[in-house]
Amino acid sequence: NAGVTQTPKFRILKIGQSMTLQCAQDMNHNYMYWYRQDPGMGLKLIYYSVGAGITDKGEVPNGYNVSRSTTEDFPLRLELAAPSQTSVYFCASSYSGVGDSPLHFGNGTRLTVT
Amino acid sequence: QQQVKQSPQSLIVQKGGIPIINCAYENTAFDYFPWYQQFPGKGPALLIAIRPDVSEKKEGRFTISFNKSAKQFSLHIMDSQPGDSATYFCAAITSGGSYIPTFGRGTSLIVHP
Repeated sequence: NAGVTQTPKFRILKIGQSMTLQCAQDMNHNYMYWYRQDPGMGLKLIYYSVGAGITDKGEVPNGYNVSRSTTEDFPLRLELAAPSQTSVYFCASSYSGVGDSPLHFGNGTRLTVT
Repeated sequence: QQQVKQSPQSLIVQKGGIPIINCAYENTAFDYFPWYQQFPGKGPALLIAIRPDVSEKKEGRFTISFNKSAKQFSLHIMDSQPGDSATYFCAAITSGGSYIPTFGRGTSLIVHP
């Protein structure tokens, strides 16, 4: 099993450009999440999904969009990139929403907006 | 508003020392408390977790202590090794709620040889 796969690993965007961060999991997990990690600020939830076709906003959704057309994939779209979106983005999945169902994280995408 | 407060932000110990990372919460509805470990360039991974019906849980050199009345929990790393150098996140979850973990801000641990 590959687990949670994120692509690309690194990306530099110019202000105003758009891009999609890809996330795929092969564990048949229902729940998927997007977090951003900034130094000293922990993990902030951007969007999450409890199953195909169902998405919901997290703590910091502005400037981002998501879709969940299949169980496996959960892409994150950035429209009109801004310097404030410079961050490391992590996708995660879990089998269910029950508390003791651990999150499995990908290795992240490091995004720089200049 | 920070629902899970984690301290310290960074920690440096010598090999063999016992680093302690503390977390505090306000929401009494939280009922599951995992710790995640993150190595540089990698995503976080579940390390150990505890429910509030026990006061302590050990897995190898890692121990969680839980104080329900004080709404605090902490991670102790016994006989710390340079390979334990990582960022550690505490989290809290409400099983009867949205199930979305609330993370602390993380602690960067360096263990010197």
